[in-house]
Amino acid sequence: EIVLTQSPATLSLSPGERATLSCRASQSVSSYLAWYQQKPGQAPRLLIYDASNRATGIPARFSGSGSGTDFTLTISSLEPEDFAVYYCQQRSNWPPEVTFGQGTRLEIK
Amino acid sequence: EVQLVQSGAEVKKPGESLKISCKGSGYSFTSYWIGWVRQMPGKGLEWMGIIYPGDSDTRYSPSFQGQVTISADKSISTAYLQWSSLKASDTAMYYCARLRKALDAFDIWGQGTMVTVSS
Repeated sequence: EIVLTQSPATLSLSPGERATLSCRASQSVSSYLAWYQQKPGQAPRLLIYDASNRATGIPARFSGSGSGTDFTLTISSLEPEDFAVYYCQQRSNWPPEVTFGQGTRLEIK
Repeated sequence: EVQLVQSGAEVKKPGESLKISCKGSGYSFTSYWIGWVRQMPGKGLEWMGIIYPGDSDTRYSPSFQGQVTISADKSISTAYLQWSSLKASDTAMYYCARLRKALDAFDIWGQGTMVTVSS
């Protein structure tokens, strides 16, 4: 089973700052890596798929990069509504096997 | 509108059985995998398993194999997650989500079903 490790566990930043979140896989997942945002009381929302593609309706301040085992989610300039928990997710094999990272909490400093 | 609508919150006792549902609409239900994800209180997302309603091909996370059963009834566009004997540790929010193969990601999520197991 592929393990995804996210860092940091918590990131404290102010609105307007740049956020950089990391996700590392225990073995290569090629570019099969997605990022989700979850706010309290809500279901997760897809932000990025295939490592670097923004999902429909996601603002341009969100970007993803990486391949193989190291991936990054960047929020270029934080808006108040961006403070949430972020998860990475990989898909391996077909039929699909999925794992999630443990999450990074982005909190207001 | 493409959506997944889950059944309502449940309160059960340890040892009881339970089956929760996830109904898809606005798209071809048989053409997309449906996954189930657990979120224990205050914790992260855990993938439980996935089913292809077109032929009921099912895969389970090793952590959940033998603990739950995933099924689907394509005639009513509904996927299910069931337990034969609940434990207090099954208390969690459970989400269903559609896996879009072209994205290798879950693009549509249900609203979640809260399951509380308490004596």
